[in-house]
Amino acid sequence: NAGVTQTPKFQVLKTGQSMTLQCAQDMNHEYMSWYRQDPGMGLRLIHYSVGAGITDQGEVPNGYNVSRSTTEDFPLRLLSAAPSQTSVYFCASSWGAMETQYFGPGTRLLVL
Amino acid sequence: AQTVTQSQPEMSVQEAETVTLSCTYDTSENNYYLFWYKQPPSRQMILVIRQEAYKQQNATENRFSVNFQKAAKSFSLKISDSQLGDTAMYFCAFMKHNNAGNMLTFGGGTRLMVKP
Repeated sequence: NAGVTQTPKFQVLKTGQSMTLQCAQDMNHEYMSWYRQDPGMGLRLIHYSVGAGITDQGEVPNGYNVSRSTTEDFPLRLLSAAPSQTSVYFCASSWGAMETQYFGPGTRLLVL
Repeated sequence: AQTVTQSQPEMSVQEAETVTLSCTYDTSENNYYLFWYKQPPSRQMILVIRQEAYKQQNATENRFSVNFQKAAKSFSLKISDSQLGDTAMYFCAFMKHNNAGNMLTFGGGTRLMVKP
């Protein structure tokens, strides 16, 4: 199993550009989440999902959209990038309620 | 809303010695789990240990153990026989669940340096 994979590893955007961060898992996990980590801080929850068609907002959802059309994939869309969205983004998945979340390697995003 | 506080931004320990990292949390939930994650310079988030709130027995994983005090809302991590590879950021995290999924709230982290 590849586990949780994220692409790209690093991306530079200009203010106002849009992009999609990809996340995929091959463990048949129903639960998936997106977090961001700013320098010197812990991770903060952006959006999460319990399965195809079901998503909800976390602590810092503004400026981000998600959809979940398959069990395997949970893309995160930045609609109009802002410098405040410069961060490292982590995707995570778990097989059930209250189960351990396994994290992808992260995507480092720089918005100029 | 839940909050997780790690009051020690940085700590250091000599190789082979024991160190304890502190974590407190605030919640009105009854059903929750607690976790410690390790983040080495590679940035990968690695599970260290987990504790179910309904269990009174403290979790242990080899050299890692927790002191879970539910009434005090305290969840400290003890690392015994510290190794150079333990050098990393350590994050305490609180998990709750709703119909849309699992939600983790992280503390600000403690940077641990193990010295030879």
